[in-house]
Amino acid sequence: SQTIHQWPATLVQPVGSPLSLECTVEGTSNPNLYWYRQAAGRGLQLLFYSVGIGQISSEVPQNLSASRPQDRQFILSSKKLLLSDSGFYLCAWRDLDRAGANVLTFGAGSRLTVL
Amino acid sequence: GQNIDQPTEMTATEGAIVQINCTYQTSGFNGLFWYQQHAGEAPTFLSYNVLDGLEEKGRFSSFLSRSKGYSYLLLKELQMKDSASYLCVVRAGNNRKLIWGLGTSLAVNP
Repeated sequence: SQTIHQWPATLVQPVGSPLSLECTVEGTSNPNLYWYRQAAGRGLQLLFYSVGIGQISSEVPQNLSASRPQDRQFILSSKKLLLSDSGFYLCAWRDLDRAGANVLTFGAGSRLTVL
Repeated sequence: GQNIDQPTEMTATEGAIVQINCTYQTSGFNGLFWYQQHAGEAPTFLSYNVLDGLEEKGRFSSFLSRSKGYSYLLLKELQMKDSASYLCVVRAGNNRKLIWGLGTSLAVNP
């Protein structure tokens, strides 16, 4: 069965510091991977998605970046965090086998607080 | 523009039935999802509708009317563990993007 791991679970970072969140998927190959952010009072916002190694599409221009160095690894980074980067970050992969529904399965999430 | 409306909060009693409504205005439609999200956790998939009608899955059912831009999630025999936020999500547009509602926070009381 497929599983998705995401870490760290929580982190508190000062403004201007760097960020690295990591996501790995097991039990599937060539998955479509996604990074979402859920801020208080807002719906899930798609940040990046990737259909393969080295292929990254950015949905929202901002100070975040993403990389996919390996088939099952997806990394979210920032060189300098802003207060507005605080939120709940979710990695997800798209299950193409669920009868065309293309369901998203999420990792446990990383709660980031920027002070 | 793309818009999804659902109530912010609802309260119900253990053992009862609750219906959570969702209306949407999108350019194009390619399916509607409901996800459940417990506090502090990630969303988990509940149901998917692409054609009009009712989809039943155990205690949960989801209904869709494409002509009305309307869906509801029906939860029967409510349990305390059903206290969570329920997210209505529409896949729309030529690029089939997901548009997420803000969620309905359901509190189940004993």
